[in-house]
Amino acid sequence: AQSVTQPDIHITVSEGASLELRCNYSYGATPYLFWYVQSPGQGLQLLLKYFSGDTLVQGIKGFEAEFKRSQSSFNLRKPSVHWSDAAEYFCAGGSKFSGGYNKLIFGAGTRLAVHP
Amino acid sequence: GAGVSQSPRYKVAKRGQDVALRCDPISGHVSLFWYQQALGQGPEFLTYFQNEAQLDKSGLPSDRFFAERPEGSVSTLKIQRTQQEDSAVYLCASSIRLAGGSYNEQFFGPGTRLTVL
Repeated sequence: AQSVTQPDIHITVSEGASLELRCNYSYGATPYLFWYVQSPGQGLQLLLKYFSGDTLVQGIKGFEAEFKRSQSSFNLRKPSVHWSDAAEYFCAGGSKFSGGYNKLIFGAGTRLAVHP
Repeated sequence: GAGVSQSPRYKVAKRGQDVALRCDPISGHVSLFWYQQALGQGPEFLTYFQNEAQLDKSGLPSDRFFAERPEGSVSTLKIQRTQQEDSAVYLCASSIRLAGGSYNEQFFGPGTRLTVL
C-alpha cells in the first residue's frame, strides 16, 4: 500500500541552526512528492514539490528538499532556521489517477519548535 | 475570493446531531477535495469532485458522511448522527484542472474544527 512516513514527531532547533526533516515514502512508482507547512489555525501551504528531473528542488521561504530514490526519501532542509518557521510540517505523496487528479497521502507530520 | 474559504471555522456538536460544513473553492477551480485531519495526524483523503460529479468517495469513513457539490462550485460535507470519533479538522482543497491531466496544485482552506461532545 502507498504510504508516507515522517519518523520524527517533534523536533526542536535553535534559531539560526540548520534543519532537516525526514520523509520516507512507499509507492510502486515514483510518486509526486510534496512538503506542506501548517501554522496554527491556518490551512496547508505548499513549500515545494517534486515530479521528476532534478532531484534537488527549491521551495519558498528558503526551503529545499532532495529526492533520493535509493533511500525512498524526500527530506526537507533549511540552512538557517528562523523563529517564524515554527509550525507543523507535512510530507505528502500523490500519484496520477485515471481521472487526472491527485489523491494526496500525508505523513503524520513533524512539529518544529524553534528556540531563540 | 483570493483563496479557499470554509465555514464555520469551529463547530461543536452533541453526539447524535447532524452537521454541515461548507467549502467555497477558488473561483474557476474544477477539482475539489475533502480531507479529514484527526488530532496529531496528517490529513486523510475523504472525497473528490470534478465539477458537480463526485468521482471518488473511497475515503468516506461511513455512510453517515455525505458530500455534495450541486452546481460545481460550493461544496457541503454533511455528517449525520455525529460520533465522538468524528472530532477532527475537516479541510477542503481545490485545484484547477488543466488539459492533459498534468499535475494541479491543491490549495487548502483553513479547515473547520469539529468537536463532538
